[in-house]
Amino acid sequence: NAGVTQTPKFQVLKTGQSMTLQCAQDMNHNSMYWYRQDPGMGLRLIYYSASEGTTDKGEVPNGYNVSRLNKREFSLRLESAAPSQTSVYFCASSEQRRPNTEAFFGQGTRLTVV
Amino acid sequence: SQQGEEDPQALSIQEGENATMNCSYKTSINNLQWYRQNSGRGLVHLILIRSNEREKHSGRLRVTLDTSKKSSSLLITASRAADTASYFCATDRTSYDKVIFGPGTSLSVIP
Repeated sequence: NAGVTQTPKFQVLKTGQSMTLQCAQDMNHNSMYWYRQDPGMGLRLIYYSASEGTTDKGEVPNGYNVSRLNKREFSLRLESAAPSQTSVYFCASSEQRRPNTEAFFGQGTRLTVV
Repeated sequence: SQQGEEDPQALSIQEGENATMNCSYKTSINNLQWYRQNSGRGLVHLILIRSNEREKHSGRLRVTLDTSKKSSSLLITASRAADTASYFCATDRTSYDKVIFGPGTSLSVIP
């Protein structure tokens, strides 16, 4: 049981380049999330998807877009990367929209924008 | 803005001692969760306490919740070197349908 799988694990981008972070879960969860983690800031929610076909903004959505491709997959796209987007990105999933159950996290993508 | 704030930011103890971390939050919640993150890894769920619960145990973990003070504490008893990690509280607010994480407490357990 793989849980939540993120790709890639590491990425270096030049300012202005675009890329898509991929996330897939095999737990049949309805809800999926994208967070970014910066030193001293904890995890900040970028976007989340309560169910297939729906997405909503989190705390820090600017500069990002998401796609809930199907129930398993939730991708995060940076259209024009900026140095401020250098961070570690985590995808997570949970069973319910209001998580009374735990969230399962991927291993993270370490992104550097130069 | 962050909903949860852990305290202290960093904690260093000897193996076998107890470790206590606190979390304060600002608005009403449905539940509060604690997660652990080992260096370079994703977060792992430890325990969830609902707003109508006051205390919960899981192995060496004890979590308390005081909704009147809007605070929670995580106690790790008889700590081990393997407990070295960052610990985060996360709240699910009643008025804001998203889970918000605090900045975390970095725990170092010295063998």
